Amino acid sequence: GAGVSQSPSNKVTEKGKDVELRCDPISGHTALYWYRQSLGQGLEFLIYFQGNSAPDKSGLPSDRFSAERTGGSVSTLTIQRTQQEDSAVYLCASSLGGQGAEEQYFGPGTRLTVT
Amino acid sequence: AQSVTQLGSHVSVSEGALVLLRCNYSSSVPPYLFWYVQYPNQGLQLLLKYTSAATLVKGINGFEAEFKKSETSFHLTKPSAHMSDAAEYFCAVSYTGANNLFFGTGTRLTVIP
Repeated sequence: GAGVSQSPSNKVTEKGKDVELRCDPISGHTALYWYRQSLGQGLEFLIYFQGNSAPDKSGLPSDRFSAERTGGSVSTLTIQRTQQEDSAVYLCASSLGGQGAEEQYFGPGTRLTVT
Repeated sequence: AQSVTQLGSHVSVSEGALVLLRCNYSSSVPPYLFWYVQYPNQGLQLLLKYTSAATLVKGINGFEAEFKKSETSFHLTKPSAHMSDAAEYFCAVSYTGANNLFFGTGTRLTVIP
């Protein structure tokens, strides 16, 4: 079956502009995660959605970052007034039920470059 | 608090040689431990995971890892490296009730022909 898909694969934007990154999780997966991968920094957790519960936003680095998940499926990560330090690969993952022992399935990522 | 330390950001081995990638974790509760691999321009793929069953875990592509509680380690090994193993490897920890994985900074494996 289809895996996690993300769009766009690459995004170049000017400092100060807003960007939207999209994630389509695996059908039937109730949990969805966003991570940020910066050069030499590993993967940093951003936000977690589980079913209809309130999202865990504890990893969002500033109030310029927000995310929503519509209909329990597609998710959009929005970065407002982008800064150069926002340049990174943004990875989305999904899992069946969101339990700590579950495998997370990752998309190919969106590479964001802020000029 | 949960965290992962991967010793060696870059590891080079000859084709056919043993692969050993080190991971040490810190967790205040019983951990779940994972190794993921990332090939260039791709997402992460699960190699193997430890979830409190057998301490020696076998994964895909001939990789295995051993959970050693006394050493708080979960090192990844493969007896004989193949060129196709060249990639970046991430160790991660989670626990019951966690909403996310906590990742190490990754180890880039180079295989020399």
